[in-house]
Amino acid sequence: DTGVSQDPRHKITKRGQNVTFRCDPISEHNRLYWYRQTLGQGPEFLTYFQNEAQLEKSRLLSDRFSAERPKGSFSTLEIQRTEQGDSAMYLCASSFGEEKLFFGSGTQLSVL
Amino acid sequence: GESVGLHLPTLSVQEGDNSIINCAYSNSASDYFIWYKQESGKGPQFIIDIRSNMDKRQGQRVTVLLNKTVKHLSLQIAATQPGDSAVYFCAENRPSAGTALIFGKGTTLSVSS
Repeated sequence: DTGVSQDPRHKITKRGQNVTFRCDPISEHNRLYWYRQTLGQGPEFLTYFQNEAQLEKSRLLSDRFSAERPKGSFSTLEIQRTEQGDSAMYLCASSFGEEKLFFGSGTQLSVL
Repeated sequence: GESVGLHLPTLSVQEGDNSIINCAYSNSASDYFIWYKQESGKGPQFIIDIRSNMDKRQGQRVTVLLNKTVKHLSLQIAATQPGDSAVYFCAENRPSAGTALIFGKGTTLSVSS
């Protein structure tokens, strides 16, 4: 499978715990994006990388969120001290250039 | 704030009919638009895109129409099949918003056989 891969598919955690998600983009894509999606809504942009540089962050990305893409390939998104409001589907997408984002299947986070 | 919106949250059609899903956008500076299909439990799947210098683009069974005068985008699906049942999102690349695609709320298409 050469699409965007996300791990884990599902994560259940208790409030206050830290969680980390991983995204492996399509190999030749230089751009990687993180989005968040809640039930009944469209995806909301969180942040994006071009190669290893994090070039944009949404105001939705609070201090508890941090994303990295250390070698310009896979990326991780960490949420510290999770809150119930963090429950959502976290989607990763990649692209070559600024068009045609290809999405992974997402990580569904449930904070109890 | 400004956002990409849709005229109808749901659309129900019979198998074999043509479907038209509409989307209105508010920012005339937007220069690139994409339609995505999302099935339950999956990420959005790219369907078709169009740049603002075009008014029509065709794919396999799908056509996207862009009317910049009224800031309206539509997705036409020919001979709709049960497998087309999903939520459809339009998204725009708005230069003032940076690189990110801005998504609307989606239209749920239900196809009955």
